Amino acid sequence: DGGITQSPKYLFRKEGQNVTLSCEQNLNHDAMYWYRQDPGQGLRLIYYSQIVNDFQKGDIAEGYSVSREKKESFPLTVTSAQKNPTAFYLCASSDRTNEKLFFGSGTQLSVL
Amino acid sequence: GENVEQHPSTLSVQEGDSAVIKCTYSDSASNYFPWYKQELGKGPQLIIDIRSNVGEKKDQRIAVTLNKTAKHFSLHITETQPEDSAVYFCAAAAFSGTYKYIFGTGTRLKVLA
Repeated sequence: DGGITQSPKYLFRKEGQNVTLSCEQNLNHDAMYWYRQDPGQGLRLIYYSQIVNDFQKGDIAEGYSVSREKKESFPLTVTSAQKNPTAFYLCASSDRTNEKLFFGSGTQLSVL
Repeated sequence: GENVEQHPSTLSVQEGDSAVIKCTYSDSASNYFPWYKQELGKGPQLIIDIRSNVGEKKDQRIAVTLNKTAKHFSLHITETQPEDSAVYFCAAAAFSGTYKYIFGTGTRLKVLA
């Protein structure tokens, strides 16, 4: 079953804690992305990676970090520096030369 | 910066009626315009897309039109059904090494039975 798997579906963060959101794809896509979704707003780009061991900041990268050690995986860490982390986080992927963007099912992060 | 404006933010229609959602983009380099449907608690699903060299595209009850001169594109859903109820997002994408997307703010469509 091909697709993008995000886990966990729900995540709670305590004050001062770093949390990591998982994103795995088996579509053999080169490019992977992390978006943040807030109510009533469009999706905003956090980080993206076009190839293994390389990634670039998006529009709202502050307080977040990523890694791309494997083609299939692009985990996002929400650090304690992100003061307003409550949001729905979406991972996406695409073939680098193909415009179509495919999304995972999302992770809802909330602050305790 | 570049942006995409989407209207309306909410739309209620009677089952069987048509629904139209409109978007306007600012980046003249945009050449790809997808539409996504998002159900509650799920990720967006691509439902239809159009490239800048095409003015209209149709897939069963869904159609998209593009006016490059006006930088305007629209989603048309005919014969709406309750399962069409969801949030719909438009996006405009331009290629610069990779495709960079700018998303609209979404339209919550309710189809009333």
